[in-house]
Amino acid sequence: QQQVKQSPQSLIVQKGGISIINCAYENTAFDYFPWYQQFPGKGPALLIAIRPDVSEKKEGRFTISFNKSAKQFSLHIMDSQPGDSATYFCAASLNQGGKLIFGQGTELSVKP
Amino acid sequence: SAVISQKPSRDICQRGTSLTIQCQVDSQVTMMFWYRQQPGQSLTLIATANQGSEATYESGFVIDKFPISRPNLTFSTLTVSNMSPEDSSIYLCSGEAGHTIYFGEGSWLTVV
Repeated sequence: QQQVKQSPQSLIVQKGGISIINCAYENTAFDYFPWYQQFPGKGPALLIAIRPDVSEKKEGRFTISFNKSAKQFSLHIMDSQPGDSATYFCAASLNQGGKLIFGQGTELSVKP
Repeated sequence: SAVISQKPSRDICQRGTSLTIQCQVDSQVTMMFWYRQQPGQSLTLIATANQGSEATYESGFVIDKFPISRPNLTFSTLTVSNMSPEDSSIYLCSGEAGHTIYFGEGSWLTVV
């Protein structure tokens, strides 16, 4: 019940395209859903996050869509760029600032 | 925000030895956590480092193997004891500031 399932495992997108990564969770008590971006040799960095009281949050080219009834959330990267090539992790926690349960990760490659 | 520094950044360790990883945060944080990330894999929470008291360990992790200290609100250590090749991994320190979890760059340990 504590798991967060993420797909796809890897994703190849052409420059300018839309990258979509999906996550699903079971525990309805989760109330904070962040996405982290990790470059090789670096620690994860917070990209964008959402709480379950909103269905969508947008920051620049990055959008989180949240479907509370389906217990799913997704990250959309618009106008994907080669610099976006990284591993993306979704996560969930019982409260903002609390311990995070991570998805399996998606390795994104944006081809020029 | 919070900047998290870890030492060592990388080390090669002999089987059966122990290594202590240090984590320093540039500001006081309420919560600190230690994660393990095996190469190409997701992050798994080891424990929550509690200031002035024993750490809270997740299932599958025990204090004898991963003793943790947190003497104040800006510093913590994780020791990996009696190392085996299965302990080869990236160990990440994280801290909560402004309800956001920040990560260090990680400590890459290889056990030979």
